[in-house]
Amino acid sequence: DGGITQSPKYLFRKEGQNVTLSCEQNLNHDAMYWYRQDPGQGLRLIYYSQIVNDFQKGDIAEGYSVSREKKESFPLTVTSAQKNPTAFYLCASSIVGAGTEAFFGQGTRLTVV
Amino acid sequence: KQEVTQIPAALSVPEGENLVLNCSFTDSAIYNLQWFRQDPGKGLTSLLLIQSSQREQTSGRLNASLDKSSGRSTLYIAASQPGDSATYLCAVKGAGNMLTFGGGTRLMVKP
Repeated sequence: DGGITQSPKYLFRKEGQNVTLSCEQNLNHDAMYWYRQDPGQGLRLIYYSQIVNDFQKGDIAEGYSVSREKKESFPLTVTSAQKNPTAFYLCASSIVGAGTEAFFGQGTRLTVV
Repeated sequence: KQEVTQIPAALSVPEGENLVLNCSFTDSAIYNLQWFRQDPGKGLTSLLLIQSSQREQTSGRLNASLDKSSGRSTLYIAASQPGDSATYLCAVKGAGNMLTFGGGTRLMVKP
């Protein structure tokens, strides 16, 4: 089955702790994205990558970091510098190109305890 | 900077009604527009993709239109069913291959 897999589905973080969210895709897409969704709101872009070993900041990158060592994988680390990390995190991928369609994973809900 | 607005924010209708969800965007220089469905606590499912050169796309009971010059898109749902209850999001793709999302319309279809 082709698709995007995010893990874990639920994640709990203590104050001052870094946590990493996994995103893997087997769609052979070059572009991958991380979005944050807060209750009742749309999605905001955290980071994106259009090629291995390269990535760019989105609108709300502060307190987050990413890596893109493999085409299939784009993990997101939520660092202790992110002051309000409780949210729903969504990973997406697409073919690089103007008219291409984006596909999403099932999300990870992160809660600070 | 692109801004996307969806109206209404929430909608409750009886089963069987035809309904229209609205999406507007401020910058008409887009490559495409995508409508998504999101169930509570789940990811996004792509419903329809309209390229900037197209006027509409249809899939089953769903029809999406695009008027790029006026910065508007509508999602028409025919003969609504309780299973259509979800949040519907529109997103436009512009420069840099980025998607900008609206805030969504939360739809409830009552049996």
